[in-house]
Amino acid sequence: KAGVTQTPRYLIKTRGQQVTLSCSPISGHRSVSWYQQTPGQGLQFLFEYFSETQRNKGNFPGRFSGRQFSNSRSEMNVSTLELGDSALYLCASSQTMGEQFFGPGTRLTVL
Amino acid sequence: AQTVTQSQPEMSVQEAETVTLSCTYDTSESDYYLFWYKQPPSRQMILVIRQEAYKQQNATENRFSVNFQKAAKSFSLKISDSQLGDAAMYFCAYRPLYGNKLVFGAGTILRVKS
Repeated sequence: KAGVTQTPRYLIKTRGQQVTLSCSPISGHRSVSWYQQTPGQGLQFLFEYFSETQRNKGNFPGRFSGRQFSNSRSEMNVSTLELGDSALYLCASSQTMGEQFFGPGTRLTVL
Repeated sequence: AQTVTQSQPEMSVQEAETVTLSCTYDTSESDYYLFWYKQPPSRQMILVIRQEAYKQQNATENRFSVNFQKAAKSFSLKISDSQLGDAAMYFCAYRPLYGNKLVFGAGTILRVKS
């Protein structure tokens, strides 16, 4: 089985722009979770989608949003980018509530 | 809210020796899951071991084992016969019984000396 894939792997944006990151889960996995990893704040949960519905949400501003499609692929969007949004964004997929498998991450740099 | 604390920012171990990484957590729940994840320089998060809180027996996966002390809310990872490939950042994580939200500790960098 192919693993979790994330695109793009690297991204450079400027402040004020918006960005969309994509995550394709392992085939058969219906849950996709997103995490932000920064040196200062560590790993923080953004949100989880299951069967196209947001099931859980972390403590992030409304500029961070996501969605899930019928094929379980998920996207997250960050609008009005700030310097502090520079981070590694990790996505993880799982079956209903099983082990989470992580993708390689998208490294976002905001200039 | 649940919290996970890893008090060792960095640890070193000699190849073939044993090392223990510490983790404590706080929760008011009685059932939950605990995990140790490894993140090598490639940044790929890899599950090392998991423990269900309702199981009293400590989980073991080859050279990796945990010491789960539920009353003390402690969950340490022991790596035996350390190998160069074990060098990585190790994260302790908590997950409630329902849902997939992982709460991570700050991580411990493990260095393996040859």
